[in-house]
Amino acid sequence: DGGITQSPKYLFRKEGQNVTLSCEQNLNHDAMYWYRQDPGQGLRLIYYSQIVNDFQKGDIAEGYSVSREKKESFPLTVTSAQKNPTAFYLCASSIIRVSPGRGNYGYTFGSGTRLTVV
Amino acid sequence: AQSVTQLDSHVSVSEGTPVLLRCNYSSSYSPSLFWYVQHPNKGLQLLLKYTSAATLVKGINGFEAEFKKSETSFHLTKPSAHMSDAAEYFCVVSRTFGNEKLTFGTGTRLTIIP
Repeated sequence: DGGITQSPKYLFRKEGQNVTLSCEQNLNHDAMYWYRQDPGQGLRLIYYSQIVNDFQKGDIAEGYSVSREKKESFPLTVTSAQKNPTAFYLCASSIIRVSPGRGNYGYTFGSGTRLTVV
Repeated sequence: AQSVTQLDSHVSVSEGTPVLLRCNYSSSYSPSLFWYVQHPNKGLQLLLKYTSAATLVKGINGFEAEFKKSETSFHLTKPSAHMSDAAEYFCVVSRTFGNEKLTFGTGTRLTIIP
Protein backbone atom coordinates (compact mmCIF):
# COMPACT_ATOMS: atom_id res chain seq x y z
CA ASP A 1 0.00 0.00 0.00
CA GLY A 2 1.18 3.51 -0.75
CA GLY A 3 1.75 5.94 2.04
CA ILE A 4 4.16 7.96 4.15
CA THR A 5 6.36 6.42 6.78
CA GLN A 6 7.78 8.51 9.59
CA SER A 7 10.34 7.19 11.99
CA PRO A 8 10.92 6.96 14.80
CA LYS A 9 7.52 7.31 16.45
CA TYR A 10 9.11 8.67 19.64
CA LEU A 11 12.46 10.44 19.91
CA PHE A 12 14.32 11.85 22.86
CA ARG A 13 16.97 14.52 22.47
CA LYS A 14 19.50 15.76 24.93
CA GLU A 15 20.33 19.43 25.15
CA GLY A 16 22.79 20.47 22.45
CA GLN A 17 22.20 17.44 20.23
CA ASN A 18 21.11 17.36 16.63
CA VAL A 19 18.52 14.75 15.74
CA THR A 20 17.12 13.68 12.39
CA LEU A 21 13.53 12.66 11.71
CA SER A 22 12.90 10.38 8.78
CA CYS A 23 10.09 10.74 6.22
CA GLU A 24 9.70 8.39 3.27
CA GLN A 25 6.84 8.22 0.76
CA ASN A 26 6.05 5.76 -2.03
CA LEU A 27 3.18 7.74 -3.54
CA ASN A 28 5.28 9.33 -6.30
CA HIS A 29 4.29 12.73 -4.96
CA ASP A 30 6.34 15.72 -6.06
CA ALA A 31 5.88 17.89 -2.98
CA MET A 32 6.79 17.10 0.61
CA TYR A 33 6.30 19.12 3.77
CA TRP A 34 7.26 19.22 7.42
CA TYR A 35 4.88 20.58 10.01
CA ARG A 36 5.26 21.15 13.70
CA GLN A 37 2.25 20.73 15.99
CA ASP A 38 1.98 22.29 19.43
CA PRO A 39 -1.13 22.15 21.64
CA GLY A 40 -3.62 24.88 20.76
CA GLN A 41 -1.58 26.18 17.82
CA GLY A 42 -2.58 23.91 14.98
CA LEU A 43 0.13 22.96 12.51
CA ARG A 44 2.90 25.28 11.42
CA LEU A 45 4.99 24.79 8.29
CA ILE A 46 8.72 24.30 8.83
CA TYR A 47 10.04 23.48 5.35
CA TYR A 48 8.67 22.25 2.07
CA SER A 49 10.06 20.88 -1.17
CA GLN A 50 8.43 20.70 -4.57
CA ILE A 51 11.30 19.09 -6.45
CA VAL A 52 14.43 17.09 -5.75
CA ASN A 53 17.40 19.16 -4.58
CA ASP A 54 15.24 22.18 -3.89
CA PHE A 55 13.37 23.28 -0.77
CA GLN A 56 11.96 26.44 0.78
CA LYS A 57 11.59 27.74 4.29
CA GLY A 58 8.18 27.75 5.83
CA ASP A 59 6.92 29.91 8.65
CA ILE A 60 9.16 28.55 11.44
CA ALA A 61 12.35 27.28 9.76
CA GLU A 62 14.84 28.63 12.30
CA GLY A 63 16.72 25.83 14.04
CA TYR A 64 15.76 23.22 11.45
CA SER A 65 17.37 21.91 8.26
CA VAL A 66 16.21 19.55 5.49
CA SER A 67 17.48 17.80 2.39
CA ARG A 68 15.75 16.37 -0.65
CA GLU A 69 18.25 14.14 -2.43
CA LYS A 70 15.59 11.68 -3.56
CA LYS A 71 11.97 12.21 -4.51
CA GLU A 72 10.88 9.66 -1.91
CA SER A 73 12.74 11.05 1.06
CA PHE A 74 12.62 14.34 2.99
CA PRO A 75 14.48 14.08 6.31
CA LEU A 76 14.27 16.86 8.89
CA THR A 77 17.14 17.70 11.23
CA VAL A 78 16.35 19.48 14.46
CA THR A 79 19.53 21.30 15.36
CA SER A 80 20.79 22.52 18.71
CA ALA A 81 19.82 26.03 17.58
CA GLN A 82 16.15 25.12 17.96
CA LYS A 83 15.50 26.28 21.52
CA ASN A 84 12.15 24.64 22.07
CA PRO A 85 12.05 21.46 19.99
CA THR A 86 9.61 19.45 22.08
CA ALA A 87 6.62 18.94 19.78
CA PHE A 88 4.81 16.54 17.48
CA TYR A 89 6.27 16.59 13.96
CA LEU A 90 4.23 15.63 10.92
CA CYS A 91 5.44 14.97 7.40
CA ALA A 92 3.10 15.25 4.42
CA SER A 93 3.21 14.90 0.66
CA SER A 94 1.07 15.96 -2.28
CA ILE A 95 1.00 16.15 -6.04
CA ILE A 96 1.33 19.59 -7.60
CA ARG A 97 -1.62 20.52 -9.75
CA VAL A 98 -1.22 22.85 -12.69
CA SER A 99 -4.92 23.53 -13.26
CA PRO A 100 -7.97 23.81 -11.03
CA GLY A 101 -10.54 21.08 -10.79
CA ARG A 102 -11.16 18.00 -8.76
CA GLY A 103 -8.29 15.92 -9.96
CA ASN A 104 -7.03 12.99 -8.02
CA TYR A 105 -4.96 14.74 -5.45
CA GLY A 106 -4.72 14.83 -1.72
CA TYR A 107 -2.41 15.64 1.10
CA THR A 108 -1.20 12.49 2.73
CA PHE A 109 0.20 12.70 6.24
CA GLY A 110 2.51 10.39 8.08
CA SER A 111 1.67 9.19 11.58
CA GLY A 112 4.08 11.63 13.20
CA THR A 113 7.16 11.70 15.42
CA ARG A 114 6.93 12.96 18.98
CA LEU A 115 10.19 14.64 19.95
CA THR A 116 10.98 15.32 23.59
CA VAL A 117 13.99 17.11 25.02
CA VAL A 118 15.39 15.43 28.12
CA ALA B 1 -2.49 35.60 1.69
CA GLN B 2 -4.81 33.14 3.35
CA SER B 3 -6.02 32.34 6.84
CA VAL B 4 -8.46 30.10 8.64
CA THR B 5 -10.44 30.71 11.82
CA GLN B 6 -12.03 27.85 13.68
CA LEU B 7 -14.60 29.52 15.83
CA ASP B 8 -14.71 26.94 18.62
CA SER B 9 -11.69 25.38 20.29
CA HIS B 10 -13.86 22.74 21.98
CA VAL B 11 -17.28 21.31 21.13
CA SER B 12 -19.19 18.75 23.19
CA VAL B 13 -22.26 16.92 21.92
CA SER B 14 -24.24 13.92 23.07
CA GLU B 15 -24.03 10.69 21.13
CA GLY B 16 -26.73 10.62 18.44
CA THR B 17 -27.12 14.40 18.23
CA PRO B 18 -25.93 16.62 15.35
CA VAL B 19 -22.38 17.93 15.10
CA LEU B 20 -21.46 21.42 13.86
CA LEU B 21 -17.83 22.56 13.68
CA ARG B 22 -17.45 26.09 12.39
CA CYS B 23 -14.76 27.41 10.05
CA ASN B 24 -14.32 30.79 8.38
CA TYR B 25 -11.59 31.45 5.86
CA SER B 26 -9.87 34.35 4.18
CA SER B 27 -8.13 34.03 0.84
CA SER B 28 -6.97 36.45 -1.83
CA TYR B 29 -7.35 33.83 -4.55
CA SER B 30 -9.59 30.91 -5.41
CA PRO B 31 -9.31 28.57 -2.43
CA SER B 32 -9.41 24.87 -1.89
CA LEU B 33 -10.77 23.93 1.53
CA PHE B 34 -10.36 20.78 3.55
CA TRP B 35 -11.33 19.21 6.82
CA TYR B 36 -8.90 16.82 8.47
CA VAL B 37 -9.38 14.68 11.57
CA GLN B 38 -6.66 13.69 14.02
CA HIS B 39 -6.98 11.04 16.70
CA PRO B 40 -4.56 11.24 19.66
CA ASN B 41 -0.89 10.77 18.69
CA LYS B 42 -1.86 10.00 15.11
CA GLY B 43 -1.38 11.69 11.78
CA LEU B 44 -4.11 13.61 9.99
CA GLN B 45 -6.77 11.92 7.89
CA LEU B 46 -8.64 13.75 5.14
CA LEU B 47 -12.38 13.91 5.82
CA LEU B 48 -13.44 15.93 2.79
CA LYS B 49 -12.32 18.62 0.37
CA TYR B 50 -13.75 21.45 -1.70
CA THR B 51 -11.93 22.33 -4.92
CA SER B 52 -14.30 24.62 -6.90
CA ALA B 53 -16.74 21.88 -7.85
CA ALA B 54 -20.02 21.24 -5.95
CA THR B 55 -20.44 23.54 -2.96
CA LEU B 56 -21.92 20.78 -0.78
CA VAL B 57 -19.19 18.26 -0.17
CA LYS B 58 -19.71 14.81 1.30
CA GLY B 59 -16.88 13.07 3.06
CA ILE B 60 -16.14 9.93 4.97
CA ASN B 61 -17.91 8.70 8.09
CA GLY B 62 -21.09 10.68 7.35
CA PHE B 63 -19.51 14.13 7.50
CA GLU B 64 -20.31 16.89 5.05
CA ALA B 65 -19.46 20.57 4.59
CA GLU B 66 -20.90 23.43 2.59
CA PHE B 67 -18.77 26.08 0.90
CA LYS B 68 -20.47 29.47 1.23
CA LYS B 69 -18.49 32.11 -0.61
CA SER B 70 -20.73 34.99 0.50
CA GLU B 71 -20.12 34.08 4.15
CA THR B 72 -16.52 32.85 3.63
CA SER B 73 -17.46 29.78 5.62
CA PHE B 74 -16.89 26.04 5.35
CA HIS B 75 -18.65 24.50 8.34
CA LEU B 76 -18.44 20.77 9.02
CA THR B 77 -21.61 18.87 9.98
CA LYS B 78 -22.78 15.37 10.79
CA PRO B 79 -26.41 14.44 11.50
CA SER B 80 -25.71 12.01 14.33
CA ALA B 81 -22.55 11.86 16.43
CA HIS B 82 -20.85 8.58 17.24
CA MET B 83 -18.41 7.89 20.04
CA SER B 84 -15.68 7.22 17.47
CA ASP B 85 -16.00 10.81 16.21
CA ALA B 86 -14.20 12.11 19.30
CA ALA B 87 -11.01 13.69 17.94
CA GLU B 88 -9.37 16.97 16.89
CA TYR B 89 -10.63 18.52 13.67
CA PHE B 90 -8.70 20.95 11.49
CA CYS B 91 -10.03 23.26 8.81
CA VAL B 92 -7.43 23.94 6.12
CA VAL B 93 -7.14 26.30 3.15
CA SER B 94 -4.78 26.24 0.20
CA ARG B 95 -4.57 27.60 -3.30
CA THR B 96 -6.60 25.72 -5.87
CA PHE B 97 -3.55 25.08 -7.98
CA GLY B 98 0.10 25.91 -8.12
CA ASN B 99 1.75 26.35 -4.74
CA GLU B 100 0.15 23.73 -2.55
CA LYS B 101 1.06 25.12 0.87
CA LEU B 102 -1.60 24.47 3.48
CA THR B 103 -2.76 26.96 6.11
CA PHE B 104 -4.28 25.27 9.17
CA GLY B 105 -6.81 26.46 11.66
CA THR B 106 -5.97 25.98 15.32
CA GLY B 107 -8.27 22.98 15.62
CA THR B 108 -11.53 22.07 17.33
CA ARG B 109 -11.58 19.27 19.87
CA LEU B 110 -14.82 17.29 19.60
CA THR B 111 -15.99 15.44 22.70
CA ILE B 112 -18.87 12.97 22.52
CA ILE B 113 -20.96 12.51 25.66
CA PRO B 114 -22.35 8.98 26.08
